[in-house]
Amino acid sequence: GEDVEQSLFLSVREGDSSVINCTYTDSSSTYLYWYKQEPGAGLQLLTYIFSNMDMKQDQRLTVLLNKKDKHLSLRIADTQTGDSAIYFCAENNGSASKIIFGSGTRLSIRP
Amino acid sequence: DGGITQSPKYLFRKEGQNVTLSCEQNLNHDAMYWYRQDPGQGLRLIYYSQIVNDFQKGDIAEGYSVSREKKESFPLTVTSAQKNPTAFYLCASSNDRDSSYGYTFGSGTRLTVV
Repeated sequence: GEDVEQSLFLSVREGDSSVINCTYTDSSSTYLYWYKQEPGAGLQLLTYIFSNMDMKQDQRLTVLLNKKDKHLSLRIADTQTGDSAIYFCAENNGSASKIIFGSGTRLSIRP
Repeated sequence: DGGITQSPKYLFRKEGQNVTLSCEQNLNHDAMYWYRQDPGQGLRLIYYSQIVNDFQKGDIAEGYSVSREKKESFPLTVTSAQKNPTAFYLCASSNDRDSSYGYTFGSGTRLTVV
């Protein structure tokens, strides 16, 4: 069945770049998403990418998609303390009635 | 402002009681979803609804019930049959049945059994 996998934790130094990785199994995935969850809050959609794209950039965020390897990454440039959160990778194959979420990667920032 | 509202933010339940979590959206979204999140874990789908008066079981529907009498509202009842209900519950909605542009989430309800 469909599955989305992420590493559970990532720690980076303030000002460095953070790279959060994700792999998925559904080769028919049409849309892939990155969500951010701050403590005690809901999920906020950060960005999404269509499967016919390789890269999408939005200010400090860069999403890279390797469709052949079914690998998605989110790069956050100049990581700040406000970026501390859980980041969820998710995918949708366009015809399914629901989005499949990964388990989330907790990003912590060191001074 | 359009959005999705969950209430209450915190809820305490005694063992053996049913409780209902509210979820309301004014985004005119067709589809609505309920997820459960346990500490340090991802999201697990409880129920979803793509249209009024219709809903489908998700991966962990046992011990839960829902209704979708209005497009704006998708309440979740946690019944006494749910043996481990303490968790963070998230409601979401989307603007088309394919969820192509992602979900909008509420701010969550934290349920604790006392």
